Amino acid sequence: AQKITQTQPGMFVQEKEAVTLDCTYDTSDPSYGLFWYKQPSSGEMIFLIYQGSYDQQNATEGRYSLNFQKARKSANLVISASQLGDSAMYFCAMREEANTGNQFYFGTGTSLTVIP
Amino acid sequence: GAGVSQSPRYKVAKRGQDVALRCDPISGHVSLFWYQQALGQGPEFLTYFQNEAQLDKSGLPSDRFFAERPEGSVSTLKIQRTQQEDSAVYLCASRQRSEQYFGPGTRLTVT
Repeated sequence: AQKITQTQPGMFVQEKEAVTLDCTYDTSDPSYGLFWYKQPSSGEMIFLIYQGSYDQQNATEGRYSLNFQKARKSANLVISASQLGDSAMYFCAMREEANTGNQFYFGTGTSLTVIP
Repeated sequence: GAGVSQSPRYKVAKRGQDVALRCDPISGHVSLFWYQQALGQGPEFLTYFQNEAQLDKSGLPSDRFFAERPEGSVSTLKIQRTQQEDSAVYLCASRQRSEQYFGPGTRLTVT
């Protein structure tokens, strides 16, 4: 089974509007971390936001917030006030604490296009 | 300080050639990871180092892939007898606390 599922291959949003990128995850480890990365066309993976499984509140970083619904195993990224520079691929990732290597499992990504 | 750097940024190899990809992690980062990202996919884990010790190599797709980090800093991913299916972006990341910081990747094209 896929550990991270991103069901939206592509999304469009009007500039200055908000957009939600979906992510669901699968793990039996009670302790895990959820991450979102942005990958522009240059290829570098840029860290956006982190949510720990025991965190009571949803994480926020500037215009990024993570809508964490533990019972549903979802960790959707919300980008407010979209900007043209937000156009990129977005990847959801998970790290399980029980995993010795602490490797990240990534989804297949969502391509976001911001329309002026 | 400087981020994770990788070289070369682009590599074209003929099928059957050996290649070596270099990663310079952020200074002081103990953990180092290699990922393979095929076109249109998310990165997939290859191998993990803690200092010079390779603790997990379960993601290496075949015995043609070999990674090392002899002094616990710079790491090299080597691919022997490259095949077309090896064409991908190879990402290196180093870790501080929870976050992984990624390099720009090396785009390998095998012709």
